Amino acid sequence: KNQVEQSPQSLIILEGKNCTLQCNYTVSPFSNLRWYKQDTGRGPVSLTIMTFSENTKSNGRYTATLDADTKQSSLHITASQLSDSASYICVVSGGGADGLTFGKGTHLIIQP
Amino acid sequence: SAVISQKPSRDICQRGTSLTIQCQVDSQVTMMFWYRQQPGQSLTLIATANQGSEATYESGFVIDKFPISRPNLTFSTLTVSNMSPEDSSIYLCSATGANSYEQYFGPGTRLTVT
Repeated sequence: KNQVEQSPQSLIILEGKNCTLQCNYTVSPFSNLRWYKQDTGRGPVSLTIMTFSENTKSNGRYTATLDADTKQSSLHITASQLSDSASYICVVSGGGADGLTFGKGTHLIIQP
Repeated sequence: SAVISQKPSRDICQRGTSLTIQCQVDSQVTMMFWYRQQPGQSLTLIATANQGSEATYESGFVIDKFPISRPNLTFSTLTVSNMSPEDSSIYLCSATGANSYEQYFGPGTRLTVT
């Protein structure tokens, strides 16, 4: 069964600190892995998309890594800001009519 | 990129009534989808909206409960019929562009059924 597991479920850090979110998946076949940011009351917005051959990809203060061998990904946020408070969803392309398997997300709270 | 809008953004409805949610994309897209997101849960695919034909529903979702229309490439509606409190959720419209790697989401419709 295709699954995407994210950890931690929730995280609270102080503004300016760094943090890393984890994503493990068992999706086959694998096409790509995406990280989305979902602000409260809004739809998910894409941060990064990585294919099998990509190990790391950055988008500003967000850096995603992918290890296709161990089927793990991480999202590192540098110098966190209050606006980073959101849910971060890991999505793996593979299986399903839409080809996507969604994680439950990590709820990140940045405190001043 | 594509910008997706949804109406209404939120609604509170009585048990037994129906609500139609509209989804408009600002550019032509290939695929359109409807998702449900319950509190603390991941997104669950309800159906693929097919232009000019019946939607393709996922297991656990049926046309009588969630009728869907897609009269053209940029517009779709989802109706939640005969609502019960269990239907309280966020409903999201999504679309893929010409490059199917990119998938865009609408802002969601927050539905509360009392």
